[in-house]
Amino acid sequence: GAGVSQSPSNKVTEKGKDVELRCDPISGHTALYWYRQSLGQGLEFLIYFQGNSAPDKSGLPSDRFSAERTGGSVSTLTIQRTQQEDSAVYLCASSLGFLAGEETQYFGPGTRLLVL
Amino acid sequence: KNEVEQSPQNLTAQEGEFITINCSYSVGISALHWLQQHPGGGIVSLFMLSSGKKKHGRLIATINIQEKHSSLHITASHPRDSAVYICAVKGETSGSRLTFGEGTQLTVNP
Repeated sequence: GAGVSQSPSNKVTEKGKDVELRCDPISGHTALYWYRQSLGQGLEFLIYFQGNSAPDKSGLPSDRFSAERTGGSVSTLTIQRTQQEDSAVYLCASSLGFLAGEETQYFGPGTRLLVL
Repeated sequence: KNEVEQSPQNLTAQEGEFITINCSYSVGISALHWLQQHPGGGIVSLFMLSSGKKKHGRLIATINIQEKHSSLHITASHPRDSAVYICAVKGETSGSRLTFGEGTQLTVNP
């Protein structure tokens, strides 16, 4: 079956512009995660959605970052007024979720964001 | 000090060698993940552990909860095993978020 897909695969934007990154999780996966990997850095948790529960936003670095998940499926990560330090690979992952007793995460290919 | 420490940072081996990558963490955890990041950037989840040992093919992962330590072993290593291996923990009190180690860059030469 289809894996996690993300779009766009690459995004170049100018400082100060807003960007939207999209994630399509594996069908039936109730848990969805966003991570960031800056150049030469480790992975960093951003936000987690589990079903209809309130999302865990504890990893969002500033209020310029927001995410939503519509209909329990597709998720959009929005970065407002982008800064150069936002340049990174943004990764999405999904899993069946802890309620299903299966938390193995399946990662998408990522979106490479470059802020000029 | 990072909550999750991996060693070594870089590892070069000859094909066929037995490889061990270590992960130590400083918080109570409910689960530990081992991930593999390919040179092209794609990430694959290898194992999720909360106790004991798991094996998949040539890969073995162990965890010692009391010592807050996990190891990833690769038997009969092959050049296609070359990748970054990442340890991540789910803390007991951190909800669903994962905290990641810096990764171990493994290069297996033919």
